Amino acid sequence: QSALTQPPSASGSPGQSVTISCTGSSSDLGGYDYVSWFQQHPGKAPKLMIYEVTKRPSGVPDRFSGSRSGNTASLTVSGLQAEDEADYYCSSYAGSNIVLFGGGTKLTVL
Amino acid sequence: VQLVQSGAELKKPGASVKVSCKASGYIFTNYAMHWVRQAPGQGLEWMGWVNPVNGNRILSQRFQGRVTITRDTSANTAYLELSSLRSEDTAVYYCARGKDMPSDYWGQGTLVTVS
Repeated sequence: QSALTQPPSASGSPGQSVTISCTGSSSDLGGYDYVSWFQQHPGKAPKLMIYEVTKRPSGVPDRFSGSRSGNTASLTVSGLQAEDEADYYCSSYAGSNIVLFGGGTKLTVL
Repeated sequence: VQLVQSGAELKKPGASVKVSCKASGYIFTNYAMHWVRQAPGQGLEWMGWVNPVNGNRILSQRFQGRVTITRDTSANTAYLELSSLRSEDTAVYYCARGKDMPSDYWGQGTLVTVS
């Protein structure tokens, strides 16, 4: 049960787009349509931004989008805003009722 | 929907801690309850979940033998108990409702300090 792999950091200027990757295997991220992305601001609980690979919960801006290719999922944030600066975590179902998280990516808005 | 967790705890090494998570605003038995922890400055770590209907639980291999997850449907509350505490267990512990995975509503977090 290895954690999913995310880059430790990402950055972009206001208005730009940034993509954060999350790599797993065919036994987890590539094998099930249960990939989620969470946003976490310092001292706060995680917030669901994307679920089931591409779906956005009500209230999440459409600037946030999810995709997957093979064993790598991606979160794209378009039209970066200052409030998007946060830590982002991917999560995947891994079979046998097990869940994995990525190590997290710190997004900096320059 | 709200998940309200119990307050911060300070425990000595070797002790046990029990954290509660009281749910309201939805039908408790319609969603599993997951537990996720976050050590200081570190990422999220999934610990396990409980099926509120029958009490069945699944734990991450890393926590098997030291973690118990239970629920009380009459109180709409889930519990996480961690035994044989060590300094590395110092973390914020979150409950989160979900189906197969943690989902849309999370508790506020409970800081457990082992010292």
